[in-house]
Amino acid sequence: AQSVTQLDSQVPVFEEAPVELRCNYSSSVSVYLFWYVQYPNQGLQLLLKYLSGSTLVKGINGFEAEFNKSQTSFHLRKPSVHISDTAEYFCAVSDLVDSSYKLIFGSGTRLLVRP
Amino acid sequence: NAGVTQTPKFRVLKTGQSMTLLCAQDMNHEYMYWYRQDPGMGLRLIHYSVGEGTTAKGEVPDGYNVSRLKKQNFLLGLESAAPSQTSVYFCASSSSNQPQHFGDGTRLSIL
Repeated sequence: AQSVTQLDSQVPVFEEAPVELRCNYSSSVSVYLFWYVQYPNQGLQLLLKYLSGSTLVKGINGFEAEFNKSQTSFHLRKPSVHISDTAEYFCAVSDLVDSSYKLIFGSGTRLLVRP
Repeated sequence: NAGVTQTPKFRVLKTGQSMTLLCAQDMNHEYMYWYRQDPGMGLRLIHYSVGEGTTAKGEVPDGYNVSRLKKQNFLLGLESAAPSQTSVYFCASSSSNQPQHFGDGTRLSIL
């Protein structure tokens, strides 16, 4: 069965510093990978996705992620964070074999940007 | 652009009461999903639908029922609410392998 692990439940960082949010997945088949962001009292908004092609994926708000098949990872990075990036970030995986396109989510990482 | 709309946004129920959460999407998406979000557990899939008239169980289906009588609507029902069903419920929709679009959620408290 698929699973997604986000090892860090909370990541505190100072404004303008770089940040990396880690995501590892387990799957025996090819997958689609996603990062979503959730601001307080809101739904989830897509940050970026990996479906195929280049392993370096660029998303909105200056975020990017790199798909590493050998390490089954899809870490999210931003070179310089802003206060407004404070939110919860979820990594998710979808099994290509399963035609329902269900998502399996990690438990989330809360990014706390301090001035 | 409405996207995915969930009603109601908040609700408080007593144990044993029943209610229905409504999800409506205006993007003509085939696929619709219901998730629940609990602290430290991310989102877990309750039920989903791959087309009008079809539904299937997700990871945590017990205590819930769903219906997809119209393509644009996906209803989630609680027949006899329990305190363990206190959660934030999210509906999402998508077309084939495209990313899911989420509603703003329904906060449900069961006393």
